[in-house]
Amino acid sequence: DAKTTQPTSMDCAEGRAANLPCNHSTISGNEYVYWYRQIHSQGPQYIIHGLKNNETNEMASLIITEDRKSSTLILPHATLRDTAVYYCIVRKNMEYGNKLVFGAGTILRVKS
Amino acid sequence: GAVVSQHPSWVICKSGTSVKIECRSLDFQATTMFWYRQFPKQSLMLMATSNEGSKATYEQGVEKDKFLINHASLTLSTLTVTSAHPEDSSFYICSARDGTSASYEQYFGPGTRLTVT
Repeated sequence: DAKTTQPTSMDCAEGRAANLPCNHSTISGNEYVYWYRQIHSQGPQYIIHGLKNNETNEMASLIITEDRKSSTLILPHATLRDTAVYYCIVRKNMEYGNKLVFGAGTILRVKS
Repeated sequence: GAVVSQHPSWVICKSGTSVKIECRSLDFQATTMFWYRQFPKQSLMLMATSNEGSKATYEQGVEKDKFLINHASLTLSTLTVTSAHPEDSSFYICSARDGTSASYEQYFGPGTRLTVT
């Protein structure tokens, strides 16, 4: 699976949009971009995933560049409860036995 | 939504004893389960993958005789840390994949904090 590069940490003001970037320049055509987050001392939580098109759900939006070499996770109105480590993961989908491999992630601190 | 539970949520044991951690998928059938370990201020590290009814596949560097994994049913997997030592103290997280879902999504449990004294 392709490697990803994320900033170590970011700060965001409460109520503002949090934009978390991820570089995945070696992504291949059949690999998806997944985002998970982990609040302190809890298990990871799925946020969103996409292949080529931008995606939106009740939690966030995912913007993938046309060349698919980078993406941005957007939390439109960050709250204090969004403070967590955010992981961008690239992996093949729909494969039996496929596994999620976590990198270092980005520590997002939402401040009031 | 899909829920994965772990039991216990935390455990303290003495060095040399064994500890069993349970992982259950509550509302779906988990054909594949994964076990991760996380040390303080570090990311999750995949330890092993288990498919129901088969032997687990361990990642490089993980001792299979020390970390015994059993996945005997579609809703239950167990991780037994045998002869635990203080360096095994960690946060253990399981994840389950819904084998009936076309998306093959993975759902994570809340984790088990193991402290070996």
